[in-house]
Amino acid sequence: GAVVSQHPSWVICKSGTSVKIECRSLDFQATTMFWYRQFPKQSLMLMATSNEGSKATYEQGVEKDKFLINHASLTLSTLTVTSAHPEDSSFYICSARSATGTMVEEQFFGPGTRLTVL
Amino acid sequence: GQNIDQPTEMTATEGAIVQINCTYQTSGFNGLFWYQQHAGEAPTFLSYNVLDGLEEKGRFSSFLSRSKGYSYLLLKELQMKDSASYLCAVLDSNYQLIWGAGTKLIIKP
Repeated sequence: GAVVSQHPSWVICKSGTSVKIECRSLDFQATTMFWYRQFPKQSLMLMATSNEGSKATYEQGVEKDKFLINHASLTLSTLTVTSAHPEDSSFYICSARSATGTMVEEQFFGPGTRLTVL
Repeated sequence: GQNIDQPTEMTATEGAIVQINCTYQTSGFNGLFWYQQHAGEAPTFLSYNVLDGLEEKGRFSSFLSRSKGYSYLLLKELQMKDSASYLCAVLDSNYQLIWGAGTKLIIKP
């Protein structure tokens, strides 16, 4: 199957700093990438949908100025958590949907990034 | 509103069979997915149902009844490595995945 990578896999930062997470589709082109957040013992929560070359669509309650998303190419999307605070500590997961179909079977998940803000 | 319900936790014995249920109420329906998620890892795809009936894939089977808004994931010949959370997700009319909270499955020897 298709491979999606995320970098870094884990990060610890101080409160007030910004953290950038990269999501790459390694062997396919992804017109759409999704960013999820998952708190312990909870389900995945969709934060935003990112389409290549256009602005991301944020879910209700997600601050677009705090969570900056850039989908500059068909293989790369980045999520920047600006001025991170301890409550932003979470497991961030991206997924990518192939350009060749609309079925979510073709949505592949990255391994996730664990963010801890001190 | 949109809602997906599944049990929070289930326990089963190695070698046995377990059925994890999922009921849903969503705006539109374009398929139901089951994912497996081990602690600290991203979800991995298990199955996709869009038509009524049973889909079998090795030790795992998934069933769907659209009229009842109901699905189940059946795991046979349970192995210790099957201990994980199992997430039910529905693709709504906007082709957006709506996620259940997940069922934590504990396998005992």
